[in-house]
Amino acid sequence: DSGVTQTPKHLITATGQRVTLRCSPRSGDLSVYWYQQSLDQGLQFLIHYYNGEERAKGNILERFSAQQFPDLHSELNLSSLELGDSALYFCASSVGAAGYQPQHFGDGTRLSIL
Amino acid sequence: GQQVMQIPQYQHVQEGEDFTTYCNSSTTLSNIQWYKQRPGGHPVFLIQLVKSGEVKKQKRLTFQFGEAKKNSSLHITATQTTDVGTYFCGNDMRFGAGTRLTVKP
Repeated sequence: DSGVTQTPKHLITATGQRVTLRCSPRSGDLSVYWYQQSLDQGLQFLIHYYNGEERAKGNILERFSAQQFPDLHSELNLSSLELGDSALYFCASSVGAAGYQPQHFGDGTRLSIL
Repeated sequence: GQQVMQIPQYQHVQEGEDFTTYCNSSTTLSNIQWYKQRPGGHPVFLIQLVKSGEVKKQKRLTFQFGEAKKNSSLHITATQTTDVGTYFCGNDMRFGAGTRLTVKP
């Protein structure tokens, strides 16, 4: 158990819809990272938050947005969903803001677009 | 932007054979991290290398960071079926595409 909690585990929805993925980091971790992993693909970095502030953006589409709340949990919002958005979405957390810290991954949310 | 390239993409070995995956960057890396993702699981942190030429061992796994800090490798001696999974190298939120290892008993 990594200590990172992601909900829901599975999400099935239709094209054009909007969904929200939730992540609670490990106790004490201030950074939250979001990644997208398509079938048999690598980890595509989406966005990084540290203590409530956005720190870095990766290949995140304009249809996607995220935020980190004062209690440090984070939400990833995906809108106008397309078939290609079907993927496993991982959240990870680390203690600090720098890339030096190991990241601890949650179990992921599997998003299926029908 | 900075990219981390990883090869091979797939590796199938007989149990007991050795396995190596390589990670390369065109720029100097501040550090390199290695993760393992079991089938159906999530990436799990294995190790971090920071120093030029650094070598670290974890039982049958040997991790190396190149002298120029532009490449790294993970070597598994005498693979076991428990080694099955995808091994990722990463730096500052950029990950290689991973090497998927399958082991035939």
